[in-house]
Amino acid sequence: NAGVMQNPRHLVRRRGQEARLRCSPMKGHSHVYWYRQLPEEGLKFMVYLQKENIIDESGMPKERFSAEFPKEGPSILRIQQVVRGDSAAYFCASCPVSTDTQYFGPGTRLTVL
Amino acid sequence: GENVEQHPSTLSVQEGDSAVIKCTYSDSASNYFPWYKQELGKRPQLIIDIRSNVGEKKDQRIAVTLNKTAKHFSLHITETQPEDSAVYFCAASDTGRRALTFGSGTRLQVQP
Repeated sequence: NAGVMQNPRHLVRRRGQEARLRCSPMKGHSHVYWYRQLPEEGLKFMVYLQKENIIDESGMPKERFSAEFPKEGPSILRIQQVVRGDSAAYFCASCPVSTDTQYFGPGTRLTVL
Repeated sequence: GENVEQHPSTLSVQEGDSAVIKCTYSDSASNYFPWYKQELGKRPQLIIDIRSNVGEKKDQRIAVTLNKTAKHFSLHITETQPEDSAVYFCAASDTGRRALTFGSGTRLQVQP
């Protein structure tokens, strides 16, 4: 059973470009969470999704950020018109419907030049 | 919303000594408290968790205690080894909301 997968692992974008981050949950997990980790800081919750539904997006900036988890395929975190302050590690986590236990992917490290 | 405070921010111990990291939380609705270990450049890895119906849980050299009345929980690592060196994060969530609120992390250094 493969763990949570994320790609790309590293992403470099210039200011104003778009960043797309992908997350494939563990097999059998229907809940996906996205967290952001700034350098030398803890993880901050962004959004919680189930298949085709956003359950909680209270941690996501209102502008430029969006997330989806379609019926087929990975969950995607999209950042439009990136700025230098978006540079961070973005982790997704998944868990099965029956427990609270979240398993993290390896993260995508976004660098905005 | 939930707020989780974690102390200390750095901790240096000699190999073989014990290490204790403490967290407090603010939301009495929180009922799930995991601990994650993160090595440099790696993903957070779950090392132990505890739910609010339990006061203590142990797994080999690692134990977690929970005091619901005082709203604090602690991680205890005994017989520390150099490979225990990492950043440790506590977190809290409730069954309804499910999103984890993390502490700010403790950098543990085990000196050989």
